Amino acid sequence: GAVVSQHPSRVICKSGTSVKIECRSLDFQATTMFWYRQFPKQSLMLMATSNEGSKATYEQGVEKDKFLINHASLTLSTLTVTSAHPEDSSFYICSASQGISNQPQHFGDGTRLSIL
Amino acid sequence: ILNVEQSPQSLHVQEGDSTNFTCSFPSSNFYALHWYRWETAKSPEALFVMTLNGDEKKKGRISATLNTKEGYSYLYIKGSQPEDSATYLCASGNAGNNRKLIWGLGTSLAVNP
Repeated sequence: GAVVSQHPSRVICKSGTSVKIECRSLDFQATTMFWYRQFPKQSLMLMATSNEGSKATYEQGVEKDKFLINHASLTLSTLTVTSAHPEDSSFYICSASQGISNQPQHFGDGTRLSIL
Repeated sequence: ILNVEQSPQSLHVQEGDSTNFTCSFPSSNFYALHWYRWETAKSPEALFVMTLNGDEKKKGRISATLNTKEGYSYLYIKGSQPEDSATYLCASGNAGNNRKLIWGLGTSLAVNP
C-alpha cells in the first residue's frame, strides 16, 4: 500500500521550456503533498507543501511564479517549472502524506531535470 | 537554524554484522522523528515515525530508539544483509518550524556479502 507515482522520471529540454511533473497517490488519499529538490551531496530541501484545494505554501527562497504547484485532488499534485533555465537542473521528488509530520511520507521515484 | 545531523556519513560492513547509526536533531519544540531507507534507483521508504521520548520501534531486523530530551535517535540493523545496502535518512519535525521536516544528509550503508 501507499504507492506514489511520479513522472516523468527524466526530462532533458532546452532553456526556456516549461516542464510539468506529476505526483499521484495511487492507493490512498493524500491530504498533504510535498515537493523537494535535491542538489548533489545535499539533503532533501523542501520547496513547498500543498494541501488539496488550497494554495501551496512555499519555503523561503522558492519563487512561486517559477515553480507552480497545483493540488487539484486528494490524489494528484503537479509541479510546473516555468521557463526553465540551466540553474533549475536538479532532482525533484514528491511525497504524499496524511499529515504534516506525525505521519510517514510516501515518495515518488523522483524526476531528474536537465536543462540545456 | 534547525539542523539534523547524521553519522557516520558512510559505513561498510560485512554480511552478518550488526550496525547502528545516529541522528541528532534540535530537542526544543520537538514534534516527530522519521527514518527512511533509500535504495539506489528506488523511492525513499518510510521505516519509522516516532514522537515520544523513549520510543522504541522495530521492523524485522531494524529497530530505532528516540531520546527527545537530548535530541538523538539511533537506528540499529541486526545481522546486516546485502539487501540492507541503502542510504538511511532521518528527518525531524519541530513545532517551532510549523512541524515541517528537516532532513539529514543520510548514512550510506554498504553490506558486503
